[in-house]
Amino acid sequence: GAVVSQHPSRVICKSGTSVKIECRSLDFQATTMFWYRQFPKKSLMLMATSNEGSKATYEQGVEKDKFLINHASLTLSTLTVTSAHPEDSSFYICSARDWGTSGRGPTDTQYFGPGTRLTVL
Amino acid sequence: GQNIDQPTEMTATEGAIVQINCTYQTSGFNGLFWYQQHAGEAPTFLSYNVLDGLEEKGRFSSFLSRSKGYSYLLLKELQMKDSASYLCAVMDSNYQLIWGAGTKLIIKP
Repeated sequence: GAVVSQHPSRVICKSGTSVKIECRSLDFQATTMFWYRQFPKKSLMLMATSNEGSKATYEQGVEKDKFLINHASLTLSTLTVTSAHPEDSSFYICSARDWGTSGRGPTDTQYFGPGTRLTVL
Repeated sequence: GQNIDQPTEMTATEGAIVQINCTYQTSGFNGLFWYQQHAGEAPTFLSYNVLDGLEEKGRFSSFLSRSKGYSYLLLKELQMKDSASYLCAVMDSNYQLIWGAGTKLIIKP
């Protein structure tokens, strides 16, 4: 399958600071990337859909001013958690949509980055 | 509404076979995916079905019946490393993935 990287893998920060998480598709171009949040022993929760060159589409209940998403190129999307608080501590996972034109996998598959574990003190 | 159902937890023995079922009700259908997720890690892609029938890939197979809104993931010759959560996801008419809550598979020696 296609490769997606995510950086950093782990971050610990103080309450009130902002944290930026990068998601890169390494061997394919991704016009669409997704940001998920996952609490322990819970399923993935889609936060937003990031489209290259346009504004992200946020799911209901997700504050767009708190979770800033920028998809400036076909291989990079960033999620910035602004003024982080302890309740923002979670596992954040990005995925990139591969339309399958590379022949690596089936049409329109999401490949996940390794995730970022955010702890806000 | 849209709904994906799969068992919360299953237990199987090393070397055995286990079948994880998934039923779905979604607005439209553009394929069903199975992902494996080990604790503390991101999901990894296992299989994709868009037509009825069985897709085999090594020890893992996935089956789909669109008329029944049903899929299963079959794992053969179970190994301890197969202990993980298995997520069923359906792509709806808007090409969005609808996720099941996942099935935690426990493998015992």
